[in-house]
Amino acid sequence: SAVISQKPSRDICQRGTSLTIQCQVDSQVTMMFWYRQQPGQSLTLIATANQGSEATYESGFVIDKFPISRPNLTFSTLTVSNMSPEDSSIYLCSADPGGGIEAFFGQGTRLTVV
Amino acid sequence: AQSVTQPDIHITVSEGASLELRCNYSYGATPYLFWYVQSPGQGLQLLLKYFSGDTLVQGIKGFEAEFKRSQSSFNLRKPSVHWSDAAEYFCAANTGNQFYFGTGTSLTVIP
Repeated sequence: SAVISQKPSRDICQRGTSLTIQCQVDSQVTMMFWYRQQPGQSLTLIATANQGSEATYESGFVIDKFPISRPNLTFSTLTVSNMSPEDSSIYLCSADPGGGIEAFFGQGTRLTVV
Repeated sequence: AQSVTQPDIHITVSEGASLELRCNYSYGATPYLFWYVQSPGQGLQLLLKYFSGDTLVQGIKGFEAEFKRSQSSFNLRKPSVHWSDAAEYFCAANTGNQFYFGTGTSLTVIP
């Protein structure tokens, strides 16, 4: 298993600003994943972050809006840029030290944009 | 296209009653299957998983799930629900390339 720590756990932000969410895993992992969970919805994959390479974004998500860093095998950040109220969601970090079959999640970041 | 379906958006059960949450997947082969629970304001916690072998899998918190290949189902069960089980439950499938999550079932437990 893996213990994944995410911060901040919640934030209220002004529109037009940016927020960086941090994700720390207690073991080395090849891939880390960022999801968005809009109110009352299921999880949508934003991007996959591999250490040492550019993140791979899913359809509908772009690097300019959601830049991701992956400086080492235990850490990643997701930035939500130029925020609007539509970005209000829970953002979840996920990883699997076992190679990608399972998914372990951080506690999520609840973002409210006003 | 691959998908995971949870037909029940919301379920209400009495404390002490049994529970079954339904999950169906659409995929050519048998994917890896999971159930997660999400309490309000929290991330997802893994309840149980099925990779292969015995089709009845036991998980944490007294939950179990049964894989039925003929029905492409992976239903979650608990014989006696506790008030603390009130949460959102997500079924998920991993095809080896990507995770697919169901839309979730919200469980309310009444005393």
